[in-house]
Amino acid sequence: NAGVMQNPRHLVRRRGQEARLRCSPMKGHSHVYWYRQLPEEGLKFMVYLQKENIIDESGMPKERFSAEFPKEGPSILRIQQVVRGDSAAYFCASSQTLPSRGGSSTDTQYFGPGTRLTVL
Amino acid sequence: SQKIEQNSEALNIQEGKTATLTCNYTNYSPAYLQWYRQDPGRGPVFLLLIRENEKEKRKERLKVTFDTTLKQSLFHITASQPADSATYLCASEAAGNMLTFGGGTRLMVKP
Repeated sequence: NAGVMQNPRHLVRRRGQEARLRCSPMKGHSHVYWYRQLPEEGLKFMVYLQKENIIDESGMPKERFSAEFPKEGPSILRIQQVVRGDSAAYFCASSQTLPSRGGSSTDTQYFGPGTRLTVL
Repeated sequence: SQKIEQNSEALNIQEGKTATLTCNYTNYSPAYLQWYRQDPGRGPVFLLLIRENEKEKRKERLKVTFDTTLKQSLFHITASQPADSATYLCASEAAGNMLTFGGGTRLMVKP
C-alpha cells in the first residue's frame, strides 16, 4: 500500500515564476492537508481539502496561493509569482476520515516526503 | 491565542538512557495530543496519540503522558538508541479540528 506521494521532491524557481506541487493521498483517503515548514520552524497548516472542495483554507495566504483536489488526479498546491520568502518545505498529508474533536485512528494524518521549494 | 510549544534546544543523551521531551500548551484544552517523528529531509511520521482522559500511553519503548493540570505532555524513549536521533513534534487539534504543531525538539543519542 503506497503511502502519500508528493512530486517533485525538489523544485527550483526564479522569482515571479509559478510553482505547482502535487500530492497523491494514500489509497482510500479522501482528505488532504497541506503544510509549510520553514527552516528550523514547525509545520504550519495551510489548507484542508476533500475531493473537489476546499474545507478550510485559514492558513493559506490570500494572494498568490491556491489549492485544488479534483475528482480525478492529485491535489495541487499552486504558488503564483513566487518570492524568496516562499522557499520552504511543503508537506501534504492525508487521512481516511475528517478530523474529529476526540481524535480517532481513522483521522490520523499520514505525511508525504515533502517538496522542497527554492526560489532564486 | 492558542499555543503549543516545545523546547527548541536540542536534547543530547547517551545511548541506553531515557530521553524525555516536553510539550506545553496554553490558552486552550485540546482533546488529544499527537507525537510525530521527523528525520531530516523527510515528512513527519505519526507515533502516538493520547486523549485528554488518558494519563499514559505506551508503544514499545515509547511512553506518552498527558497532564491536563500542568497543560503538558511528556514523551519518553526508554533504552534510547542512536537510531532514535530525530526531531520529535507534538501536535494537537486547533480551531476547526485542524492540527497545530509545536516547533519540534531535536534529539541526539550518542553511542
